[in-house]
Amino acid sequence: QKEVEQNSGPLSVPEGAIASLNCTYSDRVSQSFFWYRQYSGKSPELIMSIYSNGDKEDGRFTAQLNKASQYVSLLIRDSQPSDSATYLCATPWAGSYQLTFGKGTKLSVIP
Amino acid sequence: DGGITQSPKYLFRKEGQNVTLSCEQNLNHDAMYWYRQDPGQGLRLIYYSQIVNDFQKGDIAEGYSVSREKKESFPLTVTSAQKNPTAFYLCASSMQRGETQYFGPGTRLLVL
Repeated sequence: QKEVEQNSGPLSVPEGAIASLNCTYSDRVSQSFFWYRQYSGKSPELIMSIYSNGDKEDGRFTAQLNKASQYVSLLIRDSQPSDSATYLCATPWAGSYQLTFGKGTKLSVIP
Repeated sequence: DGGITQSPKYLFRKEGQNVTLSCEQNLNHDAMYWYRQDPGQGLRLIYYSQIVNDFQKGDIAEGYSVSREKKESFPLTVTSAQKNPTAFYLCASSMQRGETQYFGPGTRLLVL
């Protein structure tokens, strides 16, 4: 069964704080993971991709992958009101190229 | 500018009508995809195509049809057999299988 689980939120953080978004997946052979940001009424845009265990940093964003625990997270440092959006986690399923998406976590950054 | 375009932005369908959503990309990507998104839901795959003249059903293909006559174009037809078509439709493309997918701006389909 394809499962990518995310806490739907909403997750509220004050401006300047660290936002932590989490995603678990059930396919043990998943090798690549993607975080997309989706503003209300808009299409998803890629934030980060991660393929190896550990951390990957890009500006204020850090993706963390733990394949043994089947867990991937996205940290947003110095959160800004413009970061308020829904964040979608996705991974190709069972060696295919069909991305399976979580339902997304809605983040609200409070000024 | 390279990118993915979808048209129209909004589309209204009458009962029993077939409608076609356009998706065009100039990224020279081989693979193209159609997703459906319902409020508060994740994206669900309708159809995908790896190469011209070939496409495969996704998880929710019933009531939909596609064609891939050109590498740049992957139109989606929502047929009258799709009884609950109201949703946000997203087209995406990627270089090859399993690689990063990039999305178009989407088409919102509403039923009159």
